[in-house]
Amino acid sequence: DAGVIQSPRHEVTEMGQEVTLRCKPISGHDYLFWYRQTMMRGLELLIYFNNNVPIDDSGMPEDRFSAKMPNASFSTLKIQPSEPRDSAVYFCASSPWMGGGSSYEQYFGPGTRLTVT
Amino acid sequence: SQKIEQNSEALNIQEGKTATLTCNYTNYSPAYLQWYRQDPGRGPVFLLLIRENEKEKRKERLKVTFDTTLKQSLFHITASQPADSATYLCALEASGTYKYIFGTGTRLKVLA
Repeated sequence: DAGVIQSPRHEVTEMGQEVTLRCKPISGHDYLFWYRQTMMRGLELLIYFNNNVPIDDSGMPEDRFSAKMPNASFSTLKIQPSEPRDSAVYFCASSPWMGGGSSYEQYFGPGTRLTVT
Repeated sequence: SQKIEQNSEALNIQEGKTATLTCNYTNYSPAYLQWYRQDPGRGPVFLLLIRENEKEKRKERLKVTFDTTLKQSLFHITASQPADSATYLCALEASGTYKYIFGTGTRLKVLA
């Protein structure tokens, strides 16, 4: 398997523009996570899905952020409108179902480095 | 409030020595704790998971301990090598939520 695939790897945009980040999880994984990483705040969970259904979006910072998972092999994270404080590295991760409980390991993608000017 | 603390200062050690990284937490009662490795420009990579009823877990040169009384996990790399240089993140399961909360990581540099 190619692992978790994210695109684009780098994105530079101007404040106010819409940004869409894409993720293809590992085939057969039931869980998909979106994280944001900054120097100041570290790695923060934004939202996660189970079997394409959003389970917890309490980490989404504002209504400007939205995430979808239309099928088991694709998810998007959209920021509209973008602001300079959204600049960060955004990671997608997936996990197989481990029979319940939290004993799963997450497989991270390479990340998308977003710069909003 | 809930807090995870990892030493933000970089840890430099000589090749061949044992590196020990610390993860302390407050106001959590995690049933699971994980350690990940992150190299510059890459996503974190899973290393080890330990359960609350396991005091110690080993994998090759890696060892993790989990002390729920002290609210602390120690991560050891024995016979360290320059290739072990990376940032190491601990992650705690947020009590029955299926979510993991990550620490900010400790950067390890192994000197040849």
